Amino acid sequence: ETGVTQSPTHLIKTRGQQVTLRCSSQSGHNTVSWYQQALGQGPQFIFQYYREEENGRGNFPPRFSGLQFPNYSSELNVNALELDDSALYLCASSMRGEGSYEQYFGPGTRLTVT
Amino acid sequence: DQQVKQNSPSLSVQEGRISILNCDYTNSMFDYFLWYKKYPAEGPTFLISISSIKDKNEDGRFTVFLNKSAKHLSLHIVPSQPGDSAVYFCAAENQGGKLIFGQGTELSVKP
Repeated sequence: ETGVTQSPTHLIKTRGQQVTLRCSSQSGHNTVSWYQQALGQGPQFIFQYYREEENGRGNFPPRFSGLQFPNYSSELNVNALELDDSALYLCASSMRGEGSYEQYFGPGTRLTVT
Repeated sequence: DQQVKQNSPSLSVQEGRISILNCDYTNSMFDYFLWYKKYPAEGPTFLISISSIKDKNEDGRFTVFLNKSAKHLSLHIVPSQPGDSAVYFCAAENQGGKLIFGQGTELSVKP
């Protein structure tokens, strides 16, 4: 069983640029959620994708967008980067519809905006 | 509006003793609670969970207690081991699969 993988591991971008982060879900999982974790805080929910459709969104502006592909992998796109976007971005996969609420996280992508 | 709170940023415990990590929540509609452990440079690892219809769930050295009337849950680790040293996050599931996390408690288990 393959776990959740994310790429890249680290990324440095300049304010105003755009970034794409990638996630491969655990095999057998059909749902992907994205979280932002700022230093010293718990992860904050960005949005969730189920069967290629957005299925819930947290308090993040529209410049945060995402995609889920038929193989259940996912992308997080952030436009017009701001300094406050510097954080660890976590992807989590789960199997929706089986009465299980556990989400399994990847190692994260550390984004630094300068 | 912090719906899930972990009021202790850190906890230090002697090896072999019990570690008790606490978590409070405000939304009575939460129906599932989870604990995650996080090491530096890794993603959170699922540890144990509890449904709101239960008051206790046990898995080896880990036990989670839920007090719905007080809107409080706790994670007990016994006996504590140095390898348990990590940041522990409490999370609540908000119908629809959104996890709401607390700020985390850093546990240090000293040999």
